[in-house]
Amino acid sequence: GAVVSQHPSWVICKSGTSVKIECRSLDFQATTMFWYRQFPKQSLMLMATSNEGSKATYEQGVEKDKFLINHASLTLSTLTVTSAHPEDSSFYICSARSLTGSTGANVLTFGAGSRLTVL
Amino acid sequence: TQLLEQSPQFLSIQEGENLTVYCNSSSVFSSLQWYRQEPGEGPVLLVTVVTGGEVKKLKRLTFQFGDARKDSSLHITAAQPGDTGLYLCAVVYSGGGADGLTFGKGTHLIIQP
Repeated sequence: GAVVSQHPSWVICKSGTSVKIECRSLDFQATTMFWYRQFPKQSLMLMATSNEGSKATYEQGVEKDKFLINHASLTLSTLTVTSAHPEDSSFYICSARSLTGSTGANVLTFGAGSRLTVL
Repeated sequence: TQLLEQSPQFLSIQEGENLTVYCNSSSVFSSLQWYRQEPGEGPVLLVTVVTGGEVKKLKRLTFQFGDARKDSSLHITAAQPGDTGLYLCAVVYSGGGADGLTFGKGTHLIIQP
């Protein structure tokens, strides 16, 4: 089945530094990837849609200059949290869309998430 | 307002009991998905329902899509500790022009041995 890999699984950084999180589709091509943020005991909140070869589409309230998204290839999207602060500490999850062969229905496969802690 | 309302928010029951969790909305959806997420992991798709009134079974889990395609339920029979997790319903919502999934707040389920 489709597999999405995120790296790193967890990262601790100092306030003011930037952190890059990678999302890779391992065995399929993904023209669209999605980035979510999840705070403890809460649900996933869609941050942005990453489109290969074009600019990302951000959800309302998400700062595009703070959360830089690059989707340079059909198998890789990156999320860079710039000038991270403690309030950015969260669980960041990506998903990638693949087309199922038989039904043609869009299916999203999620990565295992990246836990960011900003000190 | 939340697009998807899930209830209960937290549920802790003994092994062997049955339970039902709900996902409700005032909007109509073409399809709805249920996911289970374990701590420190991404959500894993359990089922997609697309037809009003549809019932799908996955071992001890029974999923139902409301006739009007506004709500859904998940029933677990004879719950086991391995069922513990966060259960999320989700729909494709083109609110911002993007078509990523919108999730409910989830039901945190704990099955005690």
